Amino acid sequence: GEDVEQSLFLSVREGDSSVINCTYTDSSSTYLYWYKQEPGAGLQLLTYIFSNMDMKQDQRLTVLLNKKDKHLSLRIADTQTGDSAIYFCALGPHRDSSYKLIFGSGTRLLVRP
Amino acid sequence: KAGVTQTPRYLIKTRGQQVTLSCSPISGHRSVSWYQQTPGQGLQFLFEYFSETQRNKGNFPGRFSGRQFSNSRSEMNVSTLELGDSALYLCASSLGGQDEQFFGPGTRLTVL
Repeated sequence: GEDVEQSLFLSVREGDSSVINCTYTDSSSTYLYWYKQEPGAGLQLLTYIFSNMDMKQDQRLTVLLNKKDKHLSLRIADTQTGDSAIYFCALGPHRDSSYKLIFGSGTRLLVRP
Repeated sequence: KAGVTQTPRYLIKTRGQQVTLSCSPISGHRSVSWYQQTPGQGLQFLFEYFSETQRNKGNFPGRFSGRQFSNSRSEMNVSTLELGDSALYLCASSLGGQDEQFFGPGTRLTVL
């Protein structure tokens, strides 16, 4: 089945850029998502990229997709303390009409003042 | 436009009981999916409904069931609760299932 992997933890200084990485095994997803989860909250959709794109920029967020290496990244420019949260990459739905999302284990981002 | 709402936000039950969770999707969205989030297993897909029909089911026992009503609101039911069912249950809505999925705040279920 599909496997999505993320590093568990990232610590950056306020004002620096953060890069959160995600690797996956199955290439049949239509969308690749980034979600943010703050303590005690649900998942907030940050951004997404279509599987036929290489890059998407949305204000402070840049998503890069390397289909050859099956690697997805999220860059947050000028990281703020409010960006501290867990970030999940998610893939889906699949072109076989399965409607589920497959999530990575999440990367905890800590922003130091 | 109001977001996805889930009720209740918190629940405490004992082993052997049953529980029903509710999800109201974003207006106009017809697909509702349910996920279980635990520290050990992460986010796991439970099932997805569209126009009152279950289209996909994850790898969960039959104690987990759901349904969708004609107004797209969805409920999930867990019978004969076990300690391991303690989790955050999240629902997500989308227009048709193969587009952006927006999540609700979740229902935190604790089984004692």
